[in-house]
Amino acid sequence: DTEVTQTPKHLVMGMTNKKSLKCEQHMGHRAMYWYKQKAKKPPELMFVYSYEKLSINESVPSRFSPECPNSSLLNLHLHALQPEDSALYLCASSQVMGKNNEQFFGPGTRLTVL
Amino acid sequence: SQQGEEDPQALSIQEGENATMNCSYKTSINNLQWYRQNSGRGLVHLILIRSNEREKHSGRLRVTLDTSKKSSSLLITASRAADTASYFCATGYNFNKFYFGSGTKLNVKP
Repeated sequence: DTEVTQTPKHLVMGMTNKKSLKCEQHMGHRAMYWYKQKAKKPPELMFVYSYEKLSINESVPSRFSPECPNSSLLNLHLHALQPEDSALYLCASSQVMGKNNEQFFGPGTRLTVL
Repeated sequence: SQQGEEDPQALSIQEGENATMNCSYKTSINNLQWYRQNSGRGLVHLILIRSNEREKHSGRLRVTLDTSKKSSSLLITASRAADTASYFCATGYNFNKFYFGSGTKLNVKP
């Protein structure tokens, strides 16, 4: 299985809602990533988990809260988002967090904040 | 910013022609990767070239890397309509941190 899955595919939420994005991989990868991509822009790194521990937080606002419950799962908890947070959220994984590792991407969750 | 810059921003060619995209970056890298993205979906990894490599091939793809000029190019030969997508370079630094370039939108007309 060489796939990264993400759910849901689409999410619409209000600014007071709490929701979660889910990412799953069964390739035995020990590094997992969240990216945010605005329309017609490149993906921007948000968080990196290595062996289920948060290794990189690219100064992301606290209304985004990542969680890695086990080596196959990565969640992104959302609370009190702003309309400018509307974007495509991409999850990726790689064998380990280190040099020269290909990242496998999921199809993304398209988030709209009203 | 450590993000790469790509040019052209958009490229329109006929099926069967070759397409060349360029990526420039600012600081020393461990590797450079190219990804394809179809219409706002997930990214598909195309090819990785390490900093000590100069050229790499994969099927119809040819990637070159010139670390002295801090630039890379992606050549797609004999393009097909199915190659229509956005192409991003991603520069890899320590600890597998990636920065994506601005992207080239390729349109291959049948």
